[in-house]
Amino acid sequence: SQKIEQNSEALNIQEGKTATLTCNYTNYSPAYLQWYRQDPGRGPVFLLLIRENEKEKRKERLKVTFDTTLKQSLFHITASQPADSATYLCALEANAGNMLTFGGGTRLMVKP
Amino acid sequence: EAGVAQSPRYKIIEKRQSVAFWCNPISGHATLYWYQQILGQGPKLLIQFQNNGVVDDSQLPKDRFSAERLKGVDSTLKIQPAKLEDSAVYLCASSNDPGTPEYFGPGTRLTVT
Repeated sequence: SQKIEQNSEALNIQEGKTATLTCNYTNYSPAYLQWYRQDPGRGPVFLLLIRENEKEKRKERLKVTFDTTLKQSLFHITASQPADSATYLCALEANAGNMLTFGGGTRLMVKP
Repeated sequence: EAGVAQSPRYKIIEKRQSVAFWCNPISGHATLYWYQQILGQGPKLLIQFQNNGVVDDSQLPKDRFSAERLKGVDSTLKIQPAKLEDSAVYLCASSNDPGTPEYFGPGTRLTVT
């Protein structure tokens, strides 16, 4: 069956370090992969979208990689700040127009 | 630009009662989505509209859930009758087109007792 796995345990890091979050999937051939941020009591906020033919995408302190051979995406936040503390969700879309399927999310805690 | 609006923000009902949620998407967004998010899990798509037509409702429990999007703008999601396991946050999202980033509302937290 199709599965999207994100580390359910919280990731605790020190301010200034690089946070790396993992999204693994099985039995999918996604055309797109998206990352969202969700704060408590709020809806998810879109961060980055990467296509299957793209290896890497960057936006300010954020970087996403997409390895369709390993069936894995890595999400990096460099020079992390306490304000980056939130839950980060990855989501896959098989093709444009298909439903977006979300992973369970990983909670990131950045300590000052 | 105004974001996605949802109401109410919170709702507490007893099991077997009915409840309705309302969503107003970002102006001009043709695609509207309803998600259910159970505590500690990622959002799960219930239904996707393209204008006022249904694109995907394969995960909507149609025996108790219904949704409509009249005139291709606002949308309502209804649960009748509610069960304890329906306790969750119901999120509405919209996008320009399928395959583009989705913009989420704040959600409605439903508690069924």
